[in-house]
Amino acid sequence: GAGVSQSPSNKVTEKGKDVELRCDPISGHTALYWYRQSLGQGLEFLIYFQGNSAPDKSGLPSDRFSAERTGGSVSTLTIQRTQQEDSAVYLCASSFRSQPQHFGDGTRLSIL
Amino acid sequence: TQLLEQSPQFLSIQEGENLTVYCNSSSVFSSLQWYRQEPGEGPVLLVTVVTGGEVKKLKRLTFQFGDARKDSSLHITAAQPGDTGLYLCAGRNSGGSNYKLTFGKGTLLTVNP
Repeated sequence: GAGVSQSPSNKVTEKGKDVELRCDPISGHTALYWYRQSLGQGLEFLIYFQGNSAPDKSGLPSDRFSAERTGGSVSTLTIQRTQQEDSAVYLCASSFRSQPQHFGDGTRLSIL
Repeated sequence: TQLLEQSPQFLSIQEGENLTVYCNSSSVFSSLQWYRQEPGEGPVLLVTVVTGGEVKKLKRLTFQFGDARKDSSLHITAAQPGDTGLYLCAGRNSGGSNYKLTFGKGTLLTVNP
């Protein structure tokens, strides 16, 4: 399809395990965003990639969270030593420069 | 930190009724966007308003940006069950971090047939 693709759609893991979430942006989109959506909390900005510029990591809640974007396309968000408060829906969005963002359907992460 | 307060948080109405959702901030935004999100899906952009006082219409939906670009409203006329969903407002920051969107917590709308 032509939209933003995220995988897996659902992930259940035990507390303390590491998880990797993947985002395939729309082809040609230079900007990529990760957000976290917790129940009743709206969308929380995590990280922003734009081309070859240094990413804006100011929204990452702790050093257990990291993200990379390889070849200016696919991005992976990694959460190490997961905690129960990490349970949320993780949304990825992409855009061409500052044009409107297109969102994927998210990964629903549940930490047991 | 810029914040967007959205109200009401929950709204349950009957088909055919009118409703208004509000989005307020003490900060000025360069533009404001409204999204609708359905369960299990990502938010989908409905409209972007840019100019203070701007009004945009999308079928039965009317969006307004406040004169000072600090607040916005979404009015739905004669709501339909298909309008059910989570409505989110998002303000685009001014200045160097203008790629950032600040989201409200959303209004969960249920339209009953």
